[in-house]
Amino acid sequence: GAGVSQSPSNKVTEKGKDVELRCDPISGHTALYWYRQSLGQGLEFLIYFQGNSAPDKSGLPSDRFSAERTGGSVSTLTIQRTQQEDSAVYLCASSLDGSGIYGYTFGSGTRLTVV
Amino acid sequence: KNEVEQSPQNLTAQEGEFITINCSYSVGISALHWLQQHPGGGIVSLFMLSSGKKKHGRLIATINIQEKHSSLHITASHPRDSAVYICAVRLEAGSYQLTFGKGTKLSVIP
Repeated sequence: GAGVSQSPSNKVTEKGKDVELRCDPISGHTALYWYRQSLGQGLEFLIYFQGNSAPDKSGLPSDRFSAERTGGSVSTLTIQRTQQEDSAVYLCASSLDGSGIYGYTFGSGTRLTVV
Repeated sequence: KNEVEQSPQNLTAQEGEFITINCSYSVGISALHWLQQHPGGGIVSLFMLSSGKKKHGRLIATINIQEKHSSLHITASHPRDSAVYICAVRLEAGSYQLTFGKGTKLSVIP
């Protein structure tokens, strides 16, 4: 597609439920990033995929968070047993490669509210 | 202390004014990015800098590696420039992670 597509755009879930957030990056972009933006905070790195390499999961805040990237394209971020502190905007970005010299294209994000 | 500090946090300007947003960082970096986040959340890459100065339209970005400081300037500001401007640094060679500032919210009043 023309841009990075994320779905859903908004998700309200009950505490304790699992959620899946989807990111469809720009075709041909080998690098894919997930970030989280909590209210009043800067963007926080979660996970990075580059081609077929093992992902860098060092930013995932707990073992309730996991992510996959199937076929080097679409990525899914899963949060199990959601907590209220998980409420945030989850942003996905992709880039042509991992160098960043070609810039990043961000999706519009998924606003997650845990009630 | 955050590794990336932006100032000011909030900025209100009259249309036509010259705007400066500052970013200071405390770590060695390989590159610095300026991003623009519009109301509604969409983020756009504006610049990537590793030295010197870049210009695109009414936007100018500069970086001083020795001083660990970057500025984003907007000339002849317009209400459509209203957005949050985010500074992000890429740590020294080999890293792909970005560390973000908290952003500067700019409002340009007609």
